[in-house]
Amino acid sequence: KQEVTQIPAALSVPEGENLVLNCSFTDSAIYNLQWFRQDPGKGLTSLLLIQSSQREQTSGRLNASLDKSSGRSTLYIAASQPGDSATYLCAVGIGGDMRFGAGTRLTVKP
Amino acid sequence: EAQVTQNPRYLITVTGKKLTVTCSQNMNHEYMSWYRQDPGLGLRQIYYSMNVEVTDKGDVPEGYKVSRKEKRNFPLILESPSPNQTSLYFCASSFGDREGYTFGSGTRLTVV
Repeated sequence: KQEVTQIPAALSVPEGENLVLNCSFTDSAIYNLQWFRQDPGKGLTSLLLIQSSQREQTSGRLNASLDKSSGRSTLYIAASQPGDSATYLCAVGIGGDMRFGAGTRLTVKP
Repeated sequence: EAQVTQNPRYLITVTGKKLTVTCSQNMNHEYMSWYRQDPGLGLRQIYYSMNVEVTDKGDVPEGYKVSRKEKRNFPLILESPSPNQTSLYFCASSFGDREGYTFGSGTRLTVV
């Protein structure tokens, strides 16, 4: 059974810092990996989608990488801002199913 | 606007009173899913559907029913809600295996 782990569970950084969030999964037979952002009590906003054949995707200050063979993905956030404070979730797509990690709660201090 | 619409956003109900949470998408997606999110347990899949009249159980299907009579709609039915079904529920849809999912805004259900 696919297990998805995110480290760290929580992270607090000063504004302007570059940071990396980690996601690992146990079974490399995935179709894709998706990073989401969730604000407290709100829905999930898709940030980046990486297909299993891709190595990375970029959107603005965000860059996500995928190493399927080692079962790892990272989300890199450049020049963090207080507005980036949220919980970041990674999810692996396996057919009609998606498996989520527990998330990393990010706080960016002004 | 392309979106997944859930209703209601908030619901408080009593144990045993049947309820339905609706989910509709306007993107012609084939895949639709229901998830529940609980503190410390993360997001867990309840049911999913890969096409009209095709549904499958996820990780936590007990106490829930779904139907997929039309492509755009995927209602979640709680025949006899219990307090342990108090949770934040999300509906999501996708074109298929190699596409990302779009999520609805969520339904916060409280069963007393």
